Amino acid sequence: DGGITQSPKYLFRKEGQNVTLSCEQNLNHDAMYWYRQDPGQGLRLIYYSQIVNDFQKGDIAEGYSVSREKKESFPLTVTSAQKNPTAFYLCASSIVRTGSTEAFFGQGTRLTVV
Amino acid sequence: ELKVEQNPLFLSMQEGKNYTIYCNYSTTSDRLYWYRQDPGKSLESLFVLLSNGAVKQEGRLMASLDTKARLSTLHITAAVHDLSATYFCAVEGYGQNFVFGPGTRLSVLP
Repeated sequence: DGGITQSPKYLFRKEGQNVTLSCEQNLNHDAMYWYRQDPGQGLRLIYYSQIVNDFQKGDIAEGYSVSREKKESFPLTVTSAQKNPTAFYLCASSIVRTGSTEAFFGQGTRLTVV
Repeated sequence: ELKVEQNPLFLSMQEGKNYTIYCNYSTTSDRLYWYRQDPGKSLESLFVLLSNGAVKQEGRLMASLDTKARLSTLHITAAVHDLSATYFCAVEGYGQNFVFGPGTRLSVLP
């Protein structure tokens, strides 16, 4: 079945450690996105990419990095520069075209600093 | 900068009642999306509204879009407990970004 797969579902990070969250989609979507959600809050855009080998910063990119080497994959690295990384991270993808471009979401990764 | 607001942020209602959630946005856009999120879960797409006057209905939920007023509504008819969730609207902005509202947390009480 087509969809977006995020892994792992739960992730624990020690202080000063970099961690990478995986996001893979087999929907043949051009655009992919990373959002952060804090408890009881809305979604904030971290990075997005509309084509391979290109990506743009969102509203809260500091302390995060991404790559888009393949259309299907958009991994997010949470670096040690991100001082408060505990949150729920959601990856999404959409088609880039006129008309309906709704975003479809993965199941999320819950990151906790220990 | 595109900003999206929702009200109310919290809504507690009894089963069988009707209510409306409002979504306002600050800049011109004719693409608006509604999502549902259950606690601890991801977002599920509910409605895609792509033009002024668009109206979509699914079960007890109906969404509409007024692009001139920069307003979308999500109307709940005869609420049931299963509708308890957080509802987000999202507006497509520059560069095909999706800017989300803060969410409306709905609790339907028996």
